[in-house]
Amino acid sequence: QVQLQQSGAELVKPGSSVKISCKASGYTFTSYDMHWIKQQPGNGLEWIGWIYPGNGNTKYNQKFNGKATLTADKSSSTAYMQLSSLTSEDSAVYFCARLGYYGYPDYWGQGVMVTVSS
Amino acid sequence: DIQMTQSPASLSASLGETISIECRASEDIYSNLAWYQQKSGKSPQLLIYAANRLQDGVPSRFSGSGSGTQYSLKISGMQPEDEGDYFCLQGSKFPWTFGGGTKLELK
Repeated sequence: QVQLQQSGAELVKPGSSVKISCKASGYTFTSYDMHWIKQQPGNGLEWIGWIYPGNGNTKYNQKFNGKATLTADKSSSTAYMQLSSLTSEDSAVYFCARLGYYGYPDYWGQGVMVTVSS
Repeated sequence: DIQMTQSPASLSASLGETISIECRASEDIYSNLAWYQQKSGKSPQLLIYAANRLQDGVPSRFSGSGSGTQYSLKISGMQPEDEGDYFCLQGSKFPWTFGGGTKLELK
């Protein structure tokens, strides 16, 4: 069965970077886009962007240009998102989600809580 | 960016009641809309895609409708397991954008 296993919660300092992972199993990793979504209490959900692991192509929400960098490792079927120059505004739960056959995210990881605090 | 205005923000329904949640887009999204359910502390689950197509395994009491800028999710007969947050997602134009969410509770 399709599973997306994300890395654990992160407590990071302002100005630093963090890299979170999303390990895929149960399907051909290189054949499906992987999307990333930010969820903050009260601010709802924001789409960050996607990566196609087959060739590394990416597309970002302009709002996250320079903030988020998406990569993928085909050998380990793992997608990554690095967030840089962190501020309190980046404190949120971050989800990876596979783009399904019908063109919408169908399987989601469990989410990673990132807390930015000194 | 396309703005998705979702209503109501919260809703309380009795067992067996039929409820509707609306999403209005700031421009035509040509039925490129999905609905998700998210239970507390869990990841979202896809319910409806392409405005009115039921995702495999989702109970038939869930249905979606709409076109153009106006879309709705209907639950025909509220069940206890339907409690949670619901939100819409437009996939018509980048950046994809989400509705603000609806919290559904059992009365």
